Amino acid sequence: SQQGEEDPQALSIQEGENATMNCSYKTSINNLQWYRQNSGRGLVHLILIRSNEREKHSGRLRVTLDTSKKSSSLLITASRAADTASYFCATEGGGFKTIFGAGTRLFVKA
Amino acid sequence: ETGVTQSPTHLIKTRGQQVTLRCSSQSGHNTVSWYQQALGQGPQFIFQYYREEENGRGNFPPRFSGLQFPNYSSELNVNALELDDSALYLCASSSGSGTGNEQFFGPGTRLTVL
Repeated sequence: SQQGEEDPQALSIQEGENATMNCSYKTSINNLQWYRQNSGRGLVHLILIRSNEREKHSGRLRVTLDTSKKSSSLLITASRAADTASYFCATEGGGFKTIFGAGTRLFVKA
Repeated sequence: ETGVTQSPTHLIKTRGQQVTLRCSSQSGHNTVSWYQQALGQGPQFIFQYYREEENGRGNFPPRFSGLQFPNYSSELNVNALELDDSALYLCASSSGSGTGNEQFFGPGTRLTVL
């Protein structure tokens, strides 16, 4: 079973708009990571946020974490057609497992 | 592009057969994790190897087994293949087995079981 659940499952926006994806999880975590996957290929690590952090930025990406609600969000600002991909959140708790959600499929129209 | 490579790229097997997938980790990395990704789903953790020892395992039956070699490359073996084993198999390497280590993923091996 997968811990992270992304919302929405799919998102279609125009180039230049912002895209927001949400992730909820069930148990306590040490950190939460966001990954991007293009067309069923390997995953690319985007950003890691630790359980004692609330917000993190990397370029056009902004991630928030609310451990009281067991949720995180990924905001991509000024989206580009090249941002079209699947986005996954992944949590690490105890042990050495990384648990992925089912992903949000983002389509950015040029 | 990460420095993680996987072979083969694609593979077709029939039910009941055995398969071996290979992964070369990024230089300097001593940890390899394997994931199974079914179509339209997120990756599911199979197991992790750290310095040639299995370091953690997900909810996969014993017919999924692995090895890590002294150069930290790794193999995933699946015996008695079932139709549901059809998936993209991803390996990821990292520089440690603790939490919070960034994982670098290979491009995957797509396995089809007929």
